[in-house]
Amino acid sequence: DTGVSQDPRHKITKRGQNVTFRCDPISEHNRLYWYRQTLGQGPEFLTYFQNEAQLEKSRLLSDRFSAERPKGSFSTLEIQRTEQGDSAMYLCASSLQVASDIQYFGAGTRLSVL
Amino acid sequence: ILNVEQSPQSLHVQEGDSTNFTCSFPSSNFYALHWYRWETAKSPEALFVMTLNGDEKKKGRISATLNTKEGYSYLYIKGSQPEDSATYLCALPNSGYSTLTFGKGTMLLVSP
Repeated sequence: DTGVSQDPRHKITKRGQNVTFRCDPISEHNRLYWYRQTLGQGPEFLTYFQNEAQLEKSRLLSDRFSAERPKGSFSTLEIQRTEQGDSAMYLCASSLQVASDIQYFGAGTRLSVL
Repeated sequence: ILNVEQSPQSLHVQEGDSTNFTCSFPSSNFYALHWYRWETAKSPEALFVMTLNGDEKKKGRISATLNTKEGYSYLYIKGSQPEDSATYLCALPNSGYSTLTFGKGTMLLVSP
């Protein structure tokens, strides 16, 4: 399978705990994106990487969120001190380099914060 | 931040009906428009990327048109089937970056 994979698919955690999600992009794609989708909304951009460089972060990304992409391969998204408002579907996508290029999405990680 | 609007919010049709959805966006600084289909428990799947005014694209029973001057795109499904049931998302890149701003989507349910 050469698509985008995300792990875990589901995560249930208690408020205040830290969680980390992983995304493995399509291997030749140099851009990687994180989006968040809540009920009734379309996916909202969180952050993106070109290779290992984090080029843009949304205002939605509070200080409790951090993302990394070491060596320009897989990426991790960590949420510290989770809050109930963090409950959402977290989607990862990858693409080649131009605005018209298709972004290929993973199936997402659904986070539930109790 | 772009304002991308989709209508209707949801749609329930019978198998065999044809249907269409609308995506509206600001006509200035247009780069591209993406249509995605997102079935429950699966990955959002790209249907079309459209870049030129007047573009028409087709994939099986699904087709799309683009009018960048007036700022809208239509997605058509001919002869809807239950397997077409999904949320259809429209998205545009923000300025020259490829990060996408999505609409809220149109949720389609096709009953047998």
